[in-house]
Amino acid sequence: QSVLTQPPSVSAAPGQRVTISCSGSNSNIGKFHVSWYQQLPGTAPKLLIYDNNERPSGIPDRFSGSKSGTSATLGITGLQTGDEADYYCGTWDDSLSAGVFGGGTKLTVL
Amino acid sequence: QVQLVESGGGVVQPGRSLRLSCAASGFSFTSYAMHWVRQAPGEGLDWVAVISRDESYVHYGDSVEGRFTISRDISKTTLYLEMNSLRADDTAVYYCVREGGAGCRFDNWGQGTLVTVSS
Repeated sequence: QSVLTQPPSVSAAPGQRVTISCSGSNSNIGKFHVSWYQQLPGTAPKLLIYDNNERPSGIPDRFSGSKSGTSATLGITGLQTGDEADYYCGTWDDSLSAGVFGGGTKLTVL
Repeated sequence: QVQLVESGGGVVQPGRSLRLSCAASGFSFTSYAMHWVRQAPGEGLDWVAVISRDESYVHYGDSVEGRFTISRDISKTTLYLEMNSLRADDTAVYYCVREGGAGCRFDNWGQGTLVTVSS
């Protein structure tokens, strides 16, 4: 059971928009910045969004993030087949003194 | 260019030990906290341990506390994970990760090394 809660899967057609939610508590998302990671099949995770809504260099602006209270959301517009991957949210948890992740969301581009 | 290269994985029997290494290059090793994150086959990400820039702070996930030890060698710019009393549920790909900012901003990941605990 993951500390952060994500939907197991989402799907949408190419060119469409999708959002992935990440729900936590006051000891994690409510207190710290959220990061999002993309894991393509057979590869290591890659930082997609940091500090809730910032994109590292090289990440297209089709990817966006937001945070409100104890929840965060990843948005992806103009879906491409190459976006099919597992997406994870993560942050620090003050009560656990541990890094925490969501269980991951598998994105399927139909 | 930041590089994190893990090594030391393999097949080990339950109850035995293994030491993972992560050779870091392309950045100032002493300027960043470092973590280990693992991923069991077909499962999600599981945070394992952290060591601060100056080694003054280390902390572990509940499932490895008391069995695993994280350390770093500044002269060799290498991160380590000493794993003792290994169990079948420790089977996973272990990633060496650089913390690029507060709140566990993991901005660089190694390619991972697979540890399989099996008799």
